[in-house]
Amino acid sequence: DVKVTQSSRYLVKRTGEKVFLECVQDMDHENMFWYRQDPGLGLRLIYFSYDVKMKEKGDIPEGYSVSREKKERFSLILESASTNQTSMYLCASSLISNQPQHFGDGTRLSIL
Amino acid sequence: SQQGEEDPQALSIQEGENATMNCSYKTSINNLQWYRQNSGRGLVHLILIRSNEREKHSGRLRVTLDTSKKSSSLLITASRAADTASYFCATVQGAQKLVFGQGTRLTINP
Repeated sequence: DVKVTQSSRYLVKRTGEKVFLECVQDMDHENMFWYRQDPGLGLRLIYFSYDVKMKEKGDIPEGYSVSREKKERFSLILESASTNQTSMYLCASSLISNQPQHFGDGTRLSIL
Repeated sequence: SQQGEEDPQALSIQEGENATMNCSYKTSINNLQWYRQNSGRGLVHLILIRSNEREKHSGRLRVTLDTSKKSSSLLITASRAADTASYFCATVQGAQKLVFGQGTRLTINP
């Protein structure tokens, strides 16, 4: 089975801090994704990557950046955390486009 | 706007009953996928139905797709307490992106 591991289940940071969320997948998947999930808004795509060092903006990239230096690892960076970035962050991977995505258990991030 | 919209937003039934959730979408699709999310966890893929398929089964799950109405339904038969979760449909938009609806919260009462 594919395993997608997110580095933290819960994280508390302060406004203005630079925050790193890490995601690792163990099945050599090409595609990796970062979403945030908020009540009433569902899942929204922040960034995705279809290859090492490649990245594409999703629907809500503002305030975020990503890094994919190795195929198995996709990092989400909050450059200067703000309270409106308090959310559940979900990482996912898929072998090829249009195919099912495998999700990690999420990181619940609170910005104080 | 959301590509997939689930209906109802919340559903509460007795254990052993069948649960039906619906999904509508706006544009043409390559495939439609259903996912389950237990509280506080990530999403788990349940079933994928291609645009040229009308019905698909997996265990107690039955998915139908009507491309003329741009709608899909997920039926869970003989529900169990462990089926309590949120269920999402997702459609492929563009080359690589999945677009999720806001989900249906299903509660199975013992």
